[in-house]
Amino acid sequence: ETGVTQTPRHLVMGMTNKKSLKCEQHLGHNAMYWYKQSAKKPLELMFVYSLEERVENNSVPSRFSPECPNSSHLFLHLHTLQPEDSALYLCASSQDTTTGAETQYFGPGTRLLVL
Amino acid sequence: RKEVEQDPGPFNVPEGATVAFNCTYSNSASQSFFWYRQDCRKEPKLLMSVYSSGNEDGRFTAQLNRASQYISLLIRDSKLSDSATYLCVVNEGNQGGKLIFGQGTELSVKP
Repeated sequence: ETGVTQTPRHLVMGMTNKKSLKCEQHLGHNAMYWYKQSAKKPLELMFVYSLEERVENNSVPSRFSPECPNSSHLFLHLHTLQPEDSALYLCASSQDTTTGAETQYFGPGTRLLVL
Repeated sequence: RKEVEQDPGPFNVPEGATVAFNCTYSNSASQSFFWYRQDCRKEPKLLMSVYSSGNEDGRFTAQLNRASQYISLLIRDSKLSDSATYLCVVNEGNQGGKLIFGQGTELSVKP
């Protein structure tokens, strides 16, 4: 399935590096999300974009910086990360955010390791 | 109290067994409920939505009890391919699209 794609699939970076995660959805959806999934923890919502406007910032540290240039693309810019930021970063999209009943479709994730 | 709480498992069951997962949620304003499935090292995928009257999809039955703020998932005649982590998911109520995920219940179906 290629509805939501993410690159890279794996990333190893040092604490002083700057990198970006990319997400693209081919479903014609209006809403996109970034989640963090750490081992043995629930998915944590990081950011929500609706029609390219950020509508949710879930108390995420500023070393994570999202960007949504259009409704099909979402980026997560990373800089000066900490080892505890190592996790699976999942992108998702849904038709809208209005009702909360829309299905969210996830990309395969980027597995990030911060050394 | 966790917003969405599930038995962590793992549940180890033989093929053909019936297994039930429980989930409780803390926000009484929540309106939408889902079960997602996540295979090892893969992304979550929607298994089924949960409706007030309960609903069934083949071998899978979901129930909702709003008074108790409790959701369940029953899997009958389990298959090896049902092995995965099952995520209970609740929307945040009056704030639209924000979903709250439980930590998941791991199921392992053995031959």
